[in-house]
Amino acid sequence: DAGITQSPRHKVTETGTPVTLRCHQTENHRYMYWYRQDPGHGLRLIHYSYGVKDTDKGEVSDGYSVSRSKTEDFLLTLESATSSQTSVYFCAIRDLNSPLHFGNGTRLTVT
Amino acid sequence: DAKTTQPPSMDCAEGRAANLPCNHSTISGNEYVYWYRQIHSQGPQYIIHGLKNNETNEMASLIITEDRKSSTLILPHATLRDTAVYYCIGLLAGNNRKLIWGLGTSLAVNP
Repeated sequence: DAGITQSPRHKVTETGTPVTLRCHQTENHRYMYWYRQDPGHGLRLIHYSYGVKDTDKGEVSDGYSVSRSKTEDFLLTLESATSSQTSVYFCAIRDLNSPLHFGNGTRLTVT
Repeated sequence: DAKTTQPPSMDCAEGRAANLPCNHSTISGNEYVYWYRQIHSQGPQYIIHGLKNNETNEMASLIITEDRKSSTLILPHATLRDTAVYYCIGLLAGNNRKLIWGLGTSLAVNP
């Protein structure tokens, strides 16, 4: 899967707890993205990164923060998880003039 | 980024060609048309992309109309494993702008 590893693959957590999802790539691609996918909504962009320490917000960024201290890692943090953040989270990578390639997702359940 | 319109669902008999249409009447002149598919619970998978000319690779063919307002993805000999949701999106080359993903076409390949 284009050298993308998401961890964990599944997580159940309680409302109010912090959660960090990790995306690790071995392709040395410049751009990295976090999406969430919910029934009836398709894929929605949360945050993206265009280089180390360079990130920007997507369309549904409230309640999420990201960090990219190394080219290969892009972390998504839910500071205080809510039930509305129950979703499947996908990481994607891309280089200049190349297609997006996706990881296999993290299924997060907030109880 | 262009807004795309696709039928919500389609059926195809195994072994026959599957032709998936996409309307993208607002696409700009330098915006590529990308096709992805998503098999249940996996990350979206890149299929093919094109700008003006028709394209073919080992997975599919892409036919883009001369006015670039619509395109068709062709799976020449559909198999049961092609059952998936297919997404058509517009993207500027070398650009990390936010993609707008619709709900795609759910293709069912029947034996």
